[in-house]
Amino acid sequence: SQQGEEDPQALSIQEGENATMNCSYKTSINNLQWYRQNSGRGLVHLILIRSNEREKHSGRLRVTLDTSKKSSSLLITASRAADTASYFCATDAGGSQGNLIFGKGTKLSVKP
Amino acid sequence: KAGVTQTPRYLIKTRGQQVTLSCSPISGHRSVSWYQQTPGQGLQFLFEYFSETQRNKGNFPGRFSGRQFSNSRSEMNVSTLELGDSALYLCASSPYGGHSYGYTFGSGTRLTVV
Repeated sequence: SQQGEEDPQALSIQEGENATMNCSYKTSINNLQWYRQNSGRGLVHLILIRSNEREKHSGRLRVTLDTSKKSSSLLITASRAADTASYFCATDAGGSQGNLIFGKGTKLSVKP
Repeated sequence: KAGVTQTPRYLIKTRGQQVTLSCSPISGHRSVSWYQQTPGQGLQFLFEYFSETQRNKGNFPGRFSGRQFSNSRSEMNVSTLELGDSALYLCASSPYGGHSYGYTFGSGTRLTVV
């Protein structure tokens, strides 16, 4: 079952612009994570934000979490062509289970 | 340190055959999870192994099975392959489970069933 849903499904921007992707989820969580996947390859862990955090930064990435709205956003500032990839949010479904549940992703295309 | 190694990278099998995929996690990681990725269904959780025991299982038929060895290496097996099993199979390694610190993924095995 899908826990997180990303929005938009696809996003096309010019190099240098900012890209914002959103994720909504259904049940309470302990943390929310963002991953990047280049075409046909494995996913790369970008950032983890815990349920008691509201904002987190890592380089050009900024993630926010609003547990009251059950939503998160990923902002990539000053995007580069190398940022072209699919981005997924993943949640732990709030339990002690070890697995994550992934959304279907946002496909980001950054044009040079 | 070495990453997560999945073998083989590509595989073509015929309907009805069986297949075994292998994953070597990061040294010291005790949790290995397997995911199936298809364009239609996205990333679907198959199962997780922790210290040689299956800890979680997704909603897949019994044709999908796995195991983990004492060195944490894991294999997954799909028997009686169907066309719909064509997918990218991803192995994810973590110290205690993806829920705590996140996963390190392998590059995947692309399985094509013809």
